[in-house]
Amino acid sequence: DTGVSQDPRHKITKRGQNVTFRCDPISEHNRLYWYRQTLGQGPEFLTYFQNEAQLEKSRLLSDRFSAERPKGSFSTLEIQRTEQGDSAMYLCASSLAAGDGYTFGSGTRLTVV
Amino acid sequence: RKEVEQDPGPFNVPEGATVAFNCTYSNSASQSFFWYRQDCRKEPKLLMSVYSSGNEDGRFTAQLNRASQYISLLIRDSKLSDSATYLCVVSPNTGFQKLVFGTGTRLLVSP
Repeated sequence: DTGVSQDPRHKITKRGQNVTFRCDPISEHNRLYWYRQTLGQGPEFLTYFQNEAQLEKSRLLSDRFSAERPKGSFSTLEIQRTEQGDSAMYLCASSLAAGDGYTFGSGTRLTVV
Repeated sequence: RKEVEQDPGPFNVPEGATVAFNCTYSNSASQSFFWYRQDCRKEPKLLMSVYSSGNEDGRFTAQLNRASQYISLLIRDSKLSDSATYLCVVSPNTGFQKLVFGTGTRLLVSP
């Protein structure tokens, strides 16, 4: 595996349902990031992990959102009680060190109906 | 004021043209700067880092002006395949290198 993998690629869910996304970073990268992107906007930072520690969370990340990286490898992002405003592309990225650019996964496109 | 501001375009240019994009950033303590490319409905991909001395990668030249807090990207001899959205990206001095993205500038290269 030479890239960042995200699963699923697409998710359609009904409003009020819970959804969970998975990200597998590049294996030697200890830094993992979640971003959200809506149409016509650049990606917006959600949260950051260094190894298993969640070191930063954006104010965009309401209490309905939770992210984990239990063993410092893959990460999950869960959204509870989804709302239509949660519809977006959820991007995961990883990097080896500060100062490096990120490598992004292909994203999970969430549609809440 | 947004942390990173870009002209959304679109910039419509013919093949072979030279095109330049600028972006401005608000945090004077920003440490790292990048240009990313994003194709429609795809993930952003790192195009190049931007250094204070300026840097060039083939047809692409990036420059940083810290005094004026702007970053530029010059594309020479545009190709059809250059059509994409170009995202200006800045890392504020927050210690863990959060990247802040502009909204992107859309480029359309026509035959």
